[in-house]
Amino acid sequence: EAQVTQNPRYLITVTGKKLTVTCSQNMNHEYMSWYRQDPGLGLRQIYYSMNVEVTDKGDVPEGYKVSRKEKRNFPLILESPSPNQTSLYFCASSLRGGSSSYNEQFFGPGTRLTVL
Amino acid sequence: GNSVTQMEGPVTLSEEAFLTINCTYTATGYPSLFWYVQYPGEGLQLLLKATKADDKGSNKGFEATYRKETTSFHLEKGSVQVSDSAVYFCALREVKTSYDKVIFGPGTSLSVIP
Repeated sequence: EAQVTQNPRYLITVTGKKLTVTCSQNMNHEYMSWYRQDPGLGLRQIYYSMNVEVTDKGDVPEGYKVSRKEKRNFPLILESPSPNQTSLYFCASSLRGGSSSYNEQFFGPGTRLTVL
Repeated sequence: GNSVTQMEGPVTLSEEAFLTINCTYTATGYPSLFWYVQYPGEGLQLLLKATKADDKGSNKGFEATYRKETTSFHLEKGSVQVSDSAVYFCALREVKTSYDKVIFGPGTSLSVIP
């Protein structure tokens, strides 16, 4: 089954304790992206990757890191989480190339993070 | 920079009512436009899309037309059902050689009552 998986689905942590949220897709997509969803703000892009070893900042990258060492995986790293990073996080992937702006994104189920 | 604006919600409608959710955008180039839907407790999934001016996307009775002259992509459905209750997001994607960003609107929550 074609899918995007995220782990963990729920996480409660404390300020300053480094954490990683994993994201994996099995559709051989070049493009992967991380978003955070907050009430009234919709989804905001944190980082995206157009291919292996190519990453770029989205609109809200502060406090986050990413890496793309393999095509299928795109982990999100919070080196020192703070309470304002409490949010619902989504990973997404899509094809790229040709008229790639037309390609839809496929979303993971989300990770609800609480930073105390 | 690029942006997407959606009508404020929440929207509450009776079953079989007509639905319109307004979406307008600003973009420097020629983006593709999307409507995604998020059912309670789930991730987003594509509802429909359009890639160029005057294109109409449609799916499950929903329609939206890419209007370049008014920079709009309004979502419509002639007769909503209780199962359409969800949050709807308008989005644009603009791609260049070194740039590939997706911008979402804030979302519009729809509740359909029997």
